[in-house]
Amino acid sequence: EIVLTQSPGTLSLSPGQRAVLSCRASQGVISSYFAWYQQKPGQAPRLLIYGASRRATGIPDRFSGSVSGTDFTLTISRLEPEDFAVYYCQQYGVSPFTFGPGTKVEIK
Amino acid sequence: EVQLVQSGAEVKKPGESLKISCEASGYSFTTYWIGWVRQTPGKGLEWIGVVYPGHSDIKYNPSFEGRVTISADKSVNNAYLHWSSLEASDTAVYYCARSGGGFSRFDYWGQGTQVTVSS
Repeated sequence: EIVLTQSPGTLSLSPGQRAVLSCRASQGVISSYFAWYQQKPGQAPRLLIYGASRRATGIPDRFSGSVSGTDFTLTISRLEPEDFAVYYCQQYGVSPFTFGPGTKVEIK
Repeated sequence: EVQLVQSGAEVKKPGESLKISCEASGYSFTTYWIGWVRQTPGKGLEWIGVVYPGHSDIKYNPSFEGRVTISADKSVNNAYLHWSSLEASDTAVYYCARSGGGFSRFDYWGQGTQVTVSS
């Protein structure tokens, strides 16, 4: 199965700052089949980005996704208080679909 | 509005059976894959598998195949996750989620069901 590695494990930032989260796949992933999710404590994950760069319904444009080879990036241009959460990447091109271990974005 | 409402928390003993449910509404149940994800502190999010209620096609993660059974009942718009014999390692939060755009990412999620297996 494809293993996804996310970095950093924790990102300590202040509101208004830019967040850059990375996810690397152990083997080639079709970029069309890559997603990012946000999860807050006690809640289910929420789809943010699919197809590596397409925002899901209702997701603000401060969230963006990009890809370069097997390296995927989620960028939050200016952190809002509600953006502090854990972010997971997922590939859904090869079964079994797999998730990364998550990056926690915390308030500095 | 798409909604997935899961059954409540369960506390079971090792060896017992369990079936948890996920009731879907707000969309055509038979035309989207719907699946299950396990979340534990140690292993994070794990994709268990999905079912297509329209023709009951099921795809499993090999790590879970044989341990759980996924099913769907289109007469009541419910998906299910069943264990015939629980183990302590099954303790986790289980989410159901709908696959948007075919066999793919999960665009809507249920609220989660906590399953605790302890003697």
